[in-house]
Order: sequence, then structure tokens, then C-alpha cells
Amino acid sequence: KQEVTQIPAALSVPEGENLVLNCSFTDSAIYNLQWFRQDPGKGLTSLLLIQSSQREQTSGRLNASLDKSSGRSTLYIAASQPGDSATYLCAVWGAGNMLTFGGGTRLMVKP
Amino acid sequence: DVKVTQSSRYLVKRTGEKVFLECVQDMDHENMFWYRQDPGLGLRLIYFSYDVKMKEKGDIPEGYSVSREKKERFSLILESASTNQTSMYLCASTRGNNNSPLHFGNGTRLTVT
Repeated sequence: KQEVTQIPAALSVPEGENLVLNCSFTDSAIYNLQWFRQDPGKGLTSLLLIQSSQREQTSGRLNASLDKSSGRSTLYIAASQPGDSATYLCAVWGAGNMLTFGGGTRLMVKP
Repeated sequence: DVKVTQSSRYLVKRTGEKVFLECVQDMDHENMFWYRQDPGLGLRLIYFSYDVKMKEKGDIPEGYSVSREKKERFSLILESASTNQTSMYLCASTRGNNNSPLHFGNGTRLTVT
């Protein structure tokens, strides 16, 4: 059974820092990996989707990478801002057409 | 832009009531999902559907049922609400392939008293 882990569970950084969020998964037979952002009390907003054949995807200050062989993905946030404060979740589509979520990383960017 | 709309942001119901949570998407997506999200437990899949009138159990279907009579609408039903069903409920949809992003609604915060 696929397991998805996100470390750290929480992260606090000063504004302006570049930061990396980590996502690891146990079964490399995946179709794609998706990163989401969730603000308190709200639904999840899709940030980036990386197909299994891709190595990375970029959107603005966000860059997500995928290394299937090692079961890892990273979300890089450049020049962090207080508005980036949220919980970030990764999810993988895997065997049996199942989507498995990580537990999330709660990010706080301090002004 | 894909829009997934959940009919209520907040609901308060009494124990034993039958509760309907509605979800509508406007992008002709084949796949629709219901999750609940609880602190420390993350997102857990309740039911999903790959087509009209089709449903599959997720990880925690007990105490719930679903209905998908039309492609755009996926309803979650709590047959007899209990206090342990107090939670945030999230609906999501995606196209019927493995290459499309999952889109979520804004969630329904249900409190059962």
C-alpha cells in the first residue's frame, strides 16, 4: 500500500527566504504527483501537477521536482512571502487508480 | 477555471438526523470524490465515483452513502448522523484519466451535536 510522508510537519521561516518542502512515497509506480495548498478552514488549491514522465514543473515562484526512482518530490518556494503561509500537501496517483495524500507541511512565513 | 461547489460551508445537525452534502462541478469531469479531513488524521477517502450511477467505497465508508444520478453532481449522505462524524468534508473532481489535476471545493464544516 502506498504511503506518502511529508517532513517537516511544520516550518517557520522569515520573509524572503527560499525554502524546500519534501514529499516521499514508498511505491514508485505512480501516474503523477500533485502539490496543493490549503488555507485554514478552506478546501485544497491545486498548485502543480507532475506527470510520472516529467522531472519538474514551474509556476511563478514555485518549482516542483519529481524523482520517481528514489520516491521523492520537492516543492521549492522562492523569495517566500507572508501570503505563502498555509499548509502544503502532496498527493500521488498510483496503482489501482488510487490517490494517496501526505500529512502536509504547515508553513508560516514571518514578516 | 474549474469550479467545484459545495452547497454549504457550515452545517449543524443533531444526532440521528439524515444529512445530505451536495457537490457540483462544472467541467464535465468523470471522477468525483468525497473526503473527510480531521486534525492528525489527514484526508481520508469516504467514497468515489468514476461515472454516473457508479460508486466505489473508499477507506472509511461506514455510516455514509453516496448518490450520483447526474454527471455533475455527487451527493454524500449521512444516514443517521453521529457525533464522530463531526468533521470537514471535502468534495473533489477530475477528468477520467490519470493525467489531470484534482480540483477541490471549499469544504463543508459539519458539526453533529
